[in-house]
Amino acid sequence: DIQMTQSPSSLSASVGDRVTITCQASQDISNYLNWYQQKPGKAPKLLIYGASNLETGVPSRFSGSGSGTDFTLTISSLQPEDIATYYCQHYDILPPRLTFGGGTKVEI
Amino acid sequence: QVQLQESGPGLVKPSQTLSLTCAVSGGSISSGDYYWTWIRQPPGKDLEWIGFIYYSGSTYYNVSLKSRVTISVDTSKNQFSLNLTSVTAADTAVYFCARFRGVFDPWGQGTLVTVSS
Repeated sequence: DIQMTQSPSSLSASVGDRVTITCQASQDISNYLNWYQQKPGKAPKLLIYGASNLETGVPSRFSGSGSGTDFTLTISSLQPEDIATYYCQHYDILPPRLTFGGGTKVEI
Repeated sequence: QVQLQESGPGLVKPSQTLSLTCAVSGGSISSGDYYWTWIRQPPGKDLEWIGFIYYSGSTYYNVSLKSRVTISVDTSKNQFSLNLTSVTAADTAVYFCARFRGVFDPWGQGTLVTVSS
């Protein structure tokens, strides 16, 4: 099975900082990688799909990059409302299987 | 727009079966090329994919739960369901339903199920 390793598991930053979260796959997954934001008590919200595509309505300070095994989620200028846990997520087509990363908790 | 809503008991005794339903509104569960999915999140822990059912009825499960999980669909009621047998305290979690086709969207709000005697 493909493993998804996120780092760091938590980070503390200041408003306006550039924040980078990484997700590494145990084998080549092309660009089958999505990023979600989860706030306490809420369901996750899709931010980035296909490794680098910004979901409609998501602020442009969020961006994703990478392909193969190494992926990055970047928040260009951290805002107070960005306090959340971020998850990467991969899916296999054959057989259908989904895997989440371990999450990165972002605090101010 | 499609919305999902989980329902079911919030408390289940150890060794019993956890049963949840996800009602789909704003669209037909039979239309489109979607996987209807269950995901759970133990308190303070990470997300775990449980499994999904394809609109055609095919099911796929997380291998770690496969022996205890059944996901079914009721197209007449526009809903799908989760049964998890022989539960233990480790199955205590918020259970989410979601629609998947490349991405999870939308999600239900989640429902907390506690396993305790």
